[in-house]
Amino acid sequence: GQNIDQPTEMTATEGAIVQINCTYQTSGFNGLFWYQQHAGEAPTFLSYNVLDGLEEKGRFSSFLSRSKGYSYLLLKELQMKDSASYLCAVRVGGYQKVTFGTGTKLQVIP
Amino acid sequence: EAGVAQSPRYKIIEKRQSVAFWCNPISGHATLYWYQQILGQGPKLLIQFQNNGVVDDSQLPKDRFSAERLKGVDSTLKIQPAKLEDSAVYLCASSGLQGGGANYGYTFGSGTRLTVV
Repeated sequence: GQNIDQPTEMTATEGAIVQINCTYQTSGFNGLFWYQQHAGEAPTFLSYNVLDGLEEKGRFSSFLSRSKGYSYLLLKELQMKDSASYLCAVRVGGYQKVTFGTGTKLQVIP
Repeated sequence: EAGVAQSPRYKIIEKRQSVAFWCNPISGHATLYWYQQILGQGPKLLIQFQNNGVVDDSQLPKDRFSAERLKGVDSTLKIQPAKLEDSAVYLCASSGLQGGGANYGYTFGSGTRLTVV
């Protein structure tokens, strides 16, 4: 099976930078997703990493180290609307099974 | 392209009643997933279909939950009888070939919020 760990909650200040870590243990690794989920809404796609390194997309960046089973999501210039849960998810195998972590609830404060 | 459609959006039932949810995936997507998301937790995979065959249902409580995917397109998820702990959001997602689409072919529907009282 898959084991995915993320911090439960984080708090950061508007305009600052925050890094949300995710560690995983799995076999047949085939990629890692980050999703954003606002309360009461479905998850929305943020990023997808399959190779080692940093992927940058505007204020959001995601990093992956396959050898360490480690990823992080970096959010820059935080805005109040970034208050949400951030879900790390791992895709494994030929049938693309996707397993989610429990999510990190980020609160952005003024 | 049209997104993943789910209905109903909300449902309130009494315990021991039955309920069914419907999902219409993105056209052409071979893989369909049902997830259960309890408040404050990440989505938990209940069942995964590849076309109309089941790939993974290891976490589906088969004594009360059932799912089918008619002709490899639409899918229904049923709970009978419902328990209080089934209160959750039920999310459907679909996926095309690996690497396809902006989300690498993996898209969620809006979900069905079930409350069992």
